[in-house]
Amino acid sequence: GIQVEQSPPDLILQEGANSTLRCNFSDSVNNLQWFHQNPWGQLINLFYIPSGTKQNGRLSATTVATERYSLLYISSSQTTDSGVYFCAARDRGSTLGRLYFGRGTQLTVWP
Amino acid sequence: DVKVTQSSRYLVKRTGEKVFLECVQDMDHENMFWYRQDPGLGLRLIYFSYDVKMKEKGDIPEGYSVSREKKERFSLILESASTNQTSMYLCASSLGGSEQFFGPGTRLTVL
Repeated sequence: GIQVEQSPPDLILQEGANSTLRCNFSDSVNNLQWFHQNPWGQLINLFYIPSGTKQNGRLSATTVATERYSLLYISSSQTTDSGVYFCAARDRGSTLGRLYFGRGTQLTVWP
Repeated sequence: DVKVTQSSRYLVKRTGEKVFLECVQDMDHENMFWYRQDPGLGLRLIYFSYDVKMKEKGDIPEGYSVSREKKERFSLILESASTNQTSMYLCASSLGGSEQFFGPGTRLTVL
């Protein structure tokens, strides 16, 4: 399977700051998702973004499939943005839909 | 909206007990997945299913089995629970290789 690496592993911000989370993957993909894990453990879908750029409020994401990376941007961060952010990818050769996950970025936003 | 539900949010069992974790999705997805999440190890795939009565081993199937008798329901079975199976269990579903959606998770403690 493909390798998915996320950076940084930990990020601490003051409320109002902007941040960029990175996801690198080792092979061609045809599915790339970003998730936020809330304090109760549920994975919330943020973006389904195999390529291109999408925006949703203060969050946006860009995937450059040819260069094998994706970025998640958080602007004007709020304390409710705290939690773990996961990137997950499905390799192009797979037809069964399984995702490979990175280890996550632990984001802490202080008031 | 896609809804994935899991039978319990918290579960406490004793070593040697047979444990059933149930997952139900309401969007007619053919693919369903069971993951476990442990601190420092991220999400690891246990089993997945791409059709009724079909199953595939993931990365850590040892000590687990699964059952998929109906399209909407995917069960994870711990035949004889052990303390090293204490973990957070997450179920997910997807339509083919498209966006994957997760349930709220079950925190299982085996004493």
